[in-house]
This record gives sequence, structure tokens and C-alpha cells, in this order.
Amino acid sequence: NAGVTQTPKFRILKIGQSMTLQCTQDMNHNYMYWYRQDPGMGLKLIYYSVGAGITDKGEVPNGYNVSRSTTEDFPLRLELAAPSQTSVYFCASSPGRASGNTIYFGEGSWLTVV
Amino acid sequence: AQSVTQLDSQVPVFEEAPVELRCNYSSSVSVYLFWYVQYPNQGLQLLLKYLSGSTLVESINGFEAEFNKSQTSFHLRKPSVHISDTAEYFCAVSDLSGNQFYFGTGTSLTVIP
Repeated sequence: NAGVTQTPKFRILKIGQSMTLQCTQDMNHNYMYWYRQDPGMGLKLIYYSVGAGITDKGEVPNGYNVSRSTTEDFPLRLELAAPSQTSVYFCASSPGRASGNTIYFGEGSWLTVV
Repeated sequence: AQSVTQLDSQVPVFEEAPVELRCNYSSSVSVYLFWYVQYPNQGLQLLLKYLSGSTLVESINGFEAEFNKSQTSFHLRKPSVHISDTAEYFCAVSDLSGNQFYFGTGTSLTVIP
């Protein structure tokens, strides 16, 4: 049972560099999400998608971009990395109302911008 | 829009003692309610959820939560905690469409031997 798979698990970036966090799910879920988790701040929604070809901004989208070309994949792109983007990133997916909106999370990606 | 408030950021409790982790939400529409648990260096895992029906929901490892609509609360309880319950607990709410989830800031539960 792979579920939601994120790569890489750890990454150090220099200020101004760009990178993509990969996320794939094998549960055929329509809904996918990217969250960031900062100490004491809980989870903040960056972007979400309700299906292939459809994406929308969450609470904290600035500095990030996403795409959803297939049902399985939902990569998160960081352009011009800044220290404020140092965080733990979680990708998640959900089948929607069919299963009571339960979200399934990946293991997380630890990103440090120096 | 919805919001979630977890009133306690840290809760230390002795092993085998009872615990309650508090969660209040605000919403103008019907919602689904969730508790997730996060063990160190791991992702979040569903602990239990309320969708409809009985207001008391239970997990397989002894936790329970009660939906109180009048008080807009969904507090998590366990009558006797174990060392293995040490983790971060997140309350979450979503609208019925499932487009977005809103998470609380988390409660760190530490079980003391």
C-alpha cells in the first residue's frame, strides 16, 4: 500500500534556488493538497486540486506553484527560495465526499533554505 | 470559511491518567470533524472522524470524541493514556464539499511514566 508518496524527504536549498517537491498517490483520489507545517502554527494550505487540470490557491500560495496534469501527480514548485519557506511540507489526497472527506497524508518533506 | 481552535498547545499527563484535548470550531455551514495524530517525523494519520449520526465517535486505540453542535466543540478524550500516546494531535474541519480542510495549531500530548 503506497498511498501518498513524497520526494525528496530532506533537502537544503540556497536562497534564490528553485526546486520541485514531487507527490504521487495511487488511490485514484480526485482531491489533492499541499500543506506546510511550521512549529506552533499547525498546517497551512498552500494549494489544492479537485481533479486533473484544476488547481486553486489555499491560504499561503505566495512563492509556490502547482500543476495537476494527471490524477496521480501533484508537484509543488518553489521559485526563488527564501528562508521563510523553510518548513515541513505535506502532500495529501482525498476521495472527497465518497469517504467522508478523509485526508491521507504523505510522510513529509523537510526543506531548509539557507 | 471555517476555523479551528485548539485551546491547549501542550498537555502533560501521567501514564494511566485520563486526558481531554479540547477543540472548538467556527462555521456557518454543516461540517465534518476530524482528529489526526502525528508521531515524530511522520505524516498525519486519521484518528477518528464525525460525519453524521451518533455524536460520540471512537477510535480503535481507546480515544473518543463527542460532537457538540451547540458548543461547536469536538473534544478528544481517553480514560487511561499510555506512553505510546505521546504525539501531536490535530483537530480539523471540512465543509461537506471536501474542497478544503482547516486544521488547528495542534496539541502536543506528553505522557509521563
